[in-house]
Amino acid sequence: QVRLVQSGAEVKKPGASVKVSCKASGYTLTSYYIHWVRQAPGQGLEWMGIINPSDGSTTYAQTLQGRVTMTRDTSTSTVYMELSSLRSQDTAVYYCARDYFGSGSFAAYFFDFWGQGTLVTVSS
Amino acid sequence: EIVLTQSPGTLSLSPGERATLSCRASHSVSSYSVAWYQQKPGQAPNLLIYGASGGATGIPDRFSGSGSGTDFTLTISRLEPEDFAVYYCQQYGSSPPTFGQGTKVEIK
Repeated sequence: QVRLVQSGAEVKKPGASVKVSCKASGYTLTSYYIHWVRQAPGQGLEWMGIINPSDGSTTYAQTLQGRVTMTRDTSTSTVYMELSSLRSQDTAVYYCARDYFGSGSFAAYFFDFWGQGTLVTVSS
Repeated sequence: EIVLTQSPGTLSLSPGERATLSCRASHSVSSYSVAWYQQKPGQAPNLLIYGASGGATGIPDRFSGSGSGTDFTLTISRLEPEDFAVYYCQQYGSSPPTFGQGTKVEIK
């Protein structure tokens, strides 16, 4: 079955960077786009960006441009999201999520499978 | 970007009752590009509806979606105990994809 398994919780100081991993199983990583979505405590959902694991191409939310980087390692079926210059407002649960459509077509931009989430806490 | 406003913020109902959740967009959403998700505490969201009215795989038929343009609705025909959760709408017809702030369906 399709699974997305994320790395564990992180505590970071303001100004630091964090890198969260998302390991895919049950399907071929390169066959589907992967998105990252975050959720601040008690808040709604915010789309962060998308990566095509087939060729590594990315599109990021404008609000995070310059601070977020998404990469992939096809040999381990893992996608990574790195966020730099962390501030307290970045405290959130970070989710990876699989796009509904395969990467051979245009991305659907809605999500059928999600990772379990990774809590990133930014605190001095 | 398109702003989605969900109402009500909280819906207090009893098992067996009908739930009607609203999602209003600040601009028309193209091609019925609206999805609905259910989220329970400590869990990731779960896709219920896409294309405004299409049921995702494995979703019970008591969940249905409707709407077009700027007004969309999720209906749960008869609430089961496991349906008490937070529901989010999402538009994906315009970049960036955006979510509503959520409607909590709680037990009355």
